[in-house]
Amino acid sequence: AQSVTQPDIHITVSEGASLELRCNYSYGATPYLFWYVQSPGQGLQLLLKYFSGDTLVQGIKGFEAEFKRSQSSFNLRKPSVHWSDAAEYFCAVAPGFQKLVFGTGTRLLVSP
Amino acid sequence: SQTIHQWPATLVQPVGSPLSLECTVEGTSNPNLYWYRQAAGRGLQLLFYSVGIGQISSEVPQNLSASRPQDRQFILSSKKLLLSDSGFYLCAWSVPDTYNSPLHFGNGTRLTVT
Repeated sequence: AQSVTQPDIHITVSEGASLELRCNYSYGATPYLFWYVQSPGQGLQLLLKYFSGDTLVQGIKGFEAEFKRSQSSFNLRKPSVHWSDAAEYFCAVAPGFQKLVFGTGTRLLVSP
Repeated sequence: SQTIHQWPATLVQPVGSPLSLECTVEGTSNPNLYWYRQAAGRGLQLLFYSVGIGQISSEVPQNLSASRPQDRQFILSSKKLLLSDSGFYLCAWSVPDTYNSPLHFGNGTRLTVT
């Protein structure tokens, strides 16, 4: 069955430092991959998506993600974290027609 | 532009009481509609999705049901709530007939069953 693993439940990063959130997927074919962000008590906002082509994908708010087929990974990165980036981040894969499977999320804490 | 509305934002209900959560989408026609539940530490679980009026697919057996009485209206219901129904419920829509269309989420409903 298709699945997404986000191995880090919590990550704390100092403001201004770089960030990398890990995501590994299990899917037999070429996956469609997404990263979403959720602020407390809010819905999810799409950060970026990968369908094909360039394996480095740019998203909103200065985020990017790199698709690595050999590692079955789609890690999210940001060169310099801002306090407003504190939120929960979800990786997702689309294994079936218009249905997404989400990881369990990584909560990002930003320290001053 | 498209918008999605979900209400209420928070709800506290006793065990055994009924439930009705409503979601509406504006600015698009015949969207695919979804109900997800988010439990603490468990990510998002797809409960129901719909590709058209009256067409509901259930992903997991449970105490809940969904209905789509109008093109852009999606309702999540229960006749008798259980404690385990507590959670954060999210409605979402996507563009129809597009394999890789991302989901667009509402702001969610926090349900506490007491």
